Amino acid sequence: AQTVTQSQPEMSVQEAETVTLSCTYDTSESDYYLFWYKQPPSRQMILVIRQEAYKQQNATENRFSVNFQKAAKSFSLKISDSQLGDAAMYFCAYSPNNNDMRFGAGTRLTVKP
Amino acid sequence: KAGVTQTPRYLIKTRGQQVTLSCSPISGHRSVSWYQQTPGQGLQFLFEYFSETQRNKGNFPGRFSGRQFSNSRSEMNVSTLELGDSALYLCASSLGSTGGFPYGYTFGSGTRLTVV
Repeated sequence: AQTVTQSQPEMSVQEAETVTLSCTYDTSESDYYLFWYKQPPSRQMILVIRQEAYKQQNATENRFSVNFQKAAKSFSLKISDSQLGDAAMYFCAYSPNNNDMRFGAGTRLTVKP
Repeated sequence: KAGVTQTPRYLIKTRGQQVTLSCSPISGHRSVSWYQQTPGQGLQFLFEYFSETQRNKGNFPGRFSGRQFSNSRSEMNVSTLELGDSALYLCASSLGSTGGFPYGYTFGSGTRLTVV
């Protein structure tokens, strides 16, 4: 079964600090992508960052970066210089080449001023 | 460039009724997927359409159905509504051909369905 696990239901970070959200996944596929999505109270899911399984280099998008450990099936998201606008639900997602995208249960991130 | 448009934004229905939700994908996106989001079950895959064909289907009863039109717009229908169908229904479109691979999804803002 292809599952995605986010072990942190809630996380909190002080504004301007760094926070890391954890994600592990289970798969026997070799060709897949991993994603982090952000869902603010407005409900719309927004793509934060994506990682191709074949690429060893960790993806980076401005203040957002990932730590992709393929052998360990781990895909964590690091948010640097946290801003109040980063407060949201964050979902880790796994997308194989031949099936639907699977999501973790989400981590609610609170940013304290 | 317009995003993924879902209508209506909110809907209140009575048990036993049926409902149709609409989704217009980003222009050029031929893949449309639907997800049900609830606090208890999280995001659960309903089905995916590509070029008017259902490519994948999640583990939902036959009361849940969908279709895609030649312009890639999609609808999902839920018949004989139950209280447990109350949820946020999200539509997502993709430039790829399967499950958001490899570009990821662009999501709409969802339709909040409440069944009373």
